[in-house]
Amino acid sequence: AAGVIQSPRHLIKEKRETATLKCYPIPRHDTVYWYQQGPGQDPQFLISFYEKMQSDKGSIPDRFSAQQFSDYHSELNMSSLELGDSALYFCASSLERGRSTDTQYFGPGTRLTVL
Amino acid sequence: SQQGEEDPQALSIQEGENATMNCSYKTSINNLQWYRQNSGRGLVHLILIRSNEREKHSGRLRVTLDTSKKSSSLLITASRAADTASYFCATDALAAGNKLTFGGGTRVLVKP
Repeated sequence: AAGVIQSPRHLIKEKRETATLKCYPIPRHDTVYWYQQGPGQDPQFLISFYEKMQSDKGSIPDRFSAQQFSDYHSELNMSSLELGDSALYFCASSLERGRSTDTQYFGPGTRLTVL
Repeated sequence: SQQGEEDPQALSIQEGENATMNCSYKTSINNLQWYRQNSGRGLVHLILIRSNEREKHSGRLRVTLDTSKKSSSLLITASRAADTASYFCATDALAAGNKLTFGGGTRVLVKP
């Protein structure tokens, strides 16, 4: 069965650079979530989209933005990167139809390293 | 503070033994999900239990949910070396959208 696809899998950037992470949800899933997992930490919710509209926002820095496109893929844009942004970034998708969440399926993550 | 917290933080057992880990949370929830994560890799969904369910099974996994105590447990029976991983519970709180709030994770080491 198709899973959530994330690209790139690894990314190395310098401080103050920008990065774009991509997520392709499971086909027919209508909701996408982004989470950040720092070293040795729990995943933390950043932002979510339902049917291409932002549905919720967590502890996402103003330097980050995200959107979901007409084909349901999502991109997380990160500017003015800081050392502390080094983390695993996960995308998850689910089929919710505007109701409470069902199973969220996670992608393999993008490991971002900021030097 | 975290919505969910896990206990124990680490667990070391022999292959064939059972592993039990607990998760507590603070607010009322819609669902509670358990995930497994191998070191630095993706989160693999194990099981979802809804707030109106008390117990659920999937293969060698057994999950319980006690909403009065705001706690859940994950039991892995007849553990295998391949079960070595970190296990997280994650809740989506009522009236807080559908985002997941993760607990601290339990690192399980299954020795062959």
